[in-house]
Order: sequence, then C-alpha cells, then structure tokens
Amino acid sequence: EVQLVESGGGLVKPGRSLRLSCTASGFTFGDYAMSWFRQAPGKGLEWVGFIRSKAYGGTTEYAASVKGRFTISRDDSKSIAYLQMNSLKTEDTAVYYCTRRGGLAAPDYWGQGTLVTVSS
Amino acid sequence: EIVLTQSPGTLSLSPGERATLSCRASQSVSSSYLAWYQQKPGQAPRLLIYGASSRATGIPDRFSGSGSGTDFTLTISRLEPEDFAVYYCQQYGSSPTTFGQGTKVEIK
Repeated sequence: EVQLVESGGGLVKPGRSLRLSCTASGFTFGDYAMSWFRQAPGKGLEWVGFIRSKAYGGTTEYAASVKGRFTISRDDSKSIAYLQMNSLKTEDTAVYYCTRRGGLAAPDYWGQGTLVTVSS
Repeated sequence: EIVLTQSPGTLSLSPGERATLSCRASQSVSSSYLAWYQQKPGQAPRLLIYGASSRATGIPDRFSGSGSGTDFTLTISRLEPEDFAVYYCQQYGSSPTTFGQGTKVEIK
C-alpha cells in the first residue's frame, strides 16, 4: 500500500526557516517524481514545486511564489522527500501536502498534510 | 499561466441524482493533461480522473470525465452519500500546473 507521511510542520515566526519531510512507503521511491502542494486555510490548492527522479536528472521546478526561498530535495536511500522553506512569510501559512508524481503526470497519492503556521 | 474556472461554485443535489461539473481553461490544455480531485473536510485530495477521462485506481465507475481543449466535464452518474465534497480540476500539461477554485457538491 502506498503511503506518504509528512512531518515537520508547526508554528514559526516570519523570516525563519522550517524543513518538512515526506516519508514514503509501498513503492520504489527512486522511480518517481515527488511534488509538494499547499492549501491555505479555507482556500484552494496551490502547487509549490516538484523534483524529478534521478533517471530524469533529479531536477526541480518551483512556483514563482516560492522560487528562491524554498528548496526540494530527496534521499532515495531513505525514501524521503524534503521541503526546505526559508524566509517564511505569513502568506506561506497552509497545510502542506506531498504527493507521488508531478510534472506531466497527475499526482496520484497524497499524504495527509502537515500544517505550517507563520505568525509572530 | 493557464487559469481554470469551475462552475457552478456550489451544486445542491439529492442522493441518486446526476452531477455535472464544468472546468473551463483560459487556453488549450495540452494533450488533455487534465485531472479531477475530490476533497472532503480535513482530508487530502483524492485523484479521481487523469488524462481528462481515465479513472484512477479504485475509483467507482459512476465517476467519469470528458472533454478536450478548453472545456472539461466531471460527471457523477448517481450521487452516493459519500460523494458530497469539494471537487477540483487541475491542468498539468503546462508549467505551472494550476487548479480551479473548486465546486462544492452539497446535499439538497
């Protein structure tokens, strides 16, 4: 069974950093792109970014709203994807979801999400 | 970026009725890279349809998707109690991938 479990969310002050983790199981992690999405309270879904599999260069793409502040990485030996968030803003407050697949493939499995609250 | 507009915003229907949800794109969605998701309160989105018309694993056949270019439709043939939720369309053929604002299907 495919499972994705996010962790690392919490309350953080504006300008600070936070790292989210997405631990995967039930599939060969290294074969898949992994994506991050977010959903602000009471709002719709927004793409954050994704990382390709090593077979496709392991490269990343980001939404304009987070480019230069957020970094996605992966550790295939541990089946974990990371979202490093720097220079956080109040508007980054959201539930963050990791998903399997991305790019030209619809995300087919989603984690349960982790809440990040940016507030002074 | 491609803007997706979903209509109606809210659909009030009874169990057993047919639901028709619309998703219109501001420009053509390449190769029908259009997906539909269901989201219930406090839960993550669940993939229903990808490639405009292919059902995801484990999705009942009362859910169907159609359309191409700029106009797409999600149809739920007979609403079950568990189908009352918010539905989002997503285009993933052009970067950045974008979502519609959602259609809430509520019990009448």
